[in-house]
Amino acid sequence: EVHLVESGGGSVQPGGSLRLSCAASGFTFSRYAMHWVRQTPGKGLEYVSTISSNGGTTYYANSLKGRFTISRDNSKNTLSLQMGSLRAEDTAVYFCARGGGLGHTDVWGNGTTVTVSS
Amino acid sequence: QSALTQPRSVSGSPGQSVTISCTGSSSDVGDYYFVSWYQQHPGTAPKLMIYDVSKRPSGVPDRFSGSKSGNTASLTISGLQAEDEADYYCCSYAGIYRFYVFGTGTEVTVL
Repeated sequence: EVHLVESGGGSVQPGGSLRLSCAASGFTFSRYAMHWVRQTPGKGLEYVSTISSNGGTTYYANSLKGRFTISRDNSKNTLSLQMGSLRAEDTAVYFCARGGGLGHTDVWGNGTTVTVSS
Repeated sequence: QSALTQPRSVSGSPGQSVTISCTGSSSDVGDYYFVSWYQQHPGTAPKLMIYDVSKRPSGVPDRFSGSKSGNTASLTISGLQAEDEADYYCCSYAGIYRFYVFGTGTEVTVL
């Protein structure tokens, strides 16, 4: 069965950093693009970042460029998101998701919660 | 990164049909046939319901259908059932500089 499990969330002060991870299982991880999507409390989904199957190409939401870095380790079936210069508005549940094709994601993890507060 | 516009809520009685609109621009919904729809029940992860405007993943009931006209995509739920009560989000590919953009979300209530 296909599974994505996020970890690394927690509470951090404004300006701090956090690294999220997503462990994949049940499919050939190296064949799929992967994404991070976040959901702020009580609000909607927001696109964060994408990495190609071989890690050679990355995309970011314009508002996040320079603060977040997506990466992957295909030997360990792991996706990561390094978040820096965190702000209160980065408080959200962060989901990793498998790319099903251009324009959609077909498998989602259950999310990990990031809280940025002093 | 402007979100796609969806109605805040729609409702219908069991057995009825409801349609959710998703309005973007000529640089996202209007320019690509890469529109997807997700269902999200409270406290759970989103679930893919429609991709490539009108395709259904395996296991999604054929009560769910998608379409697009110009800058607006639509999701129709026919024969509404109690378990369809959830939040629904559209998403569109928006080119290499924006990549993906999500809709504002619509709460579907089954009366």
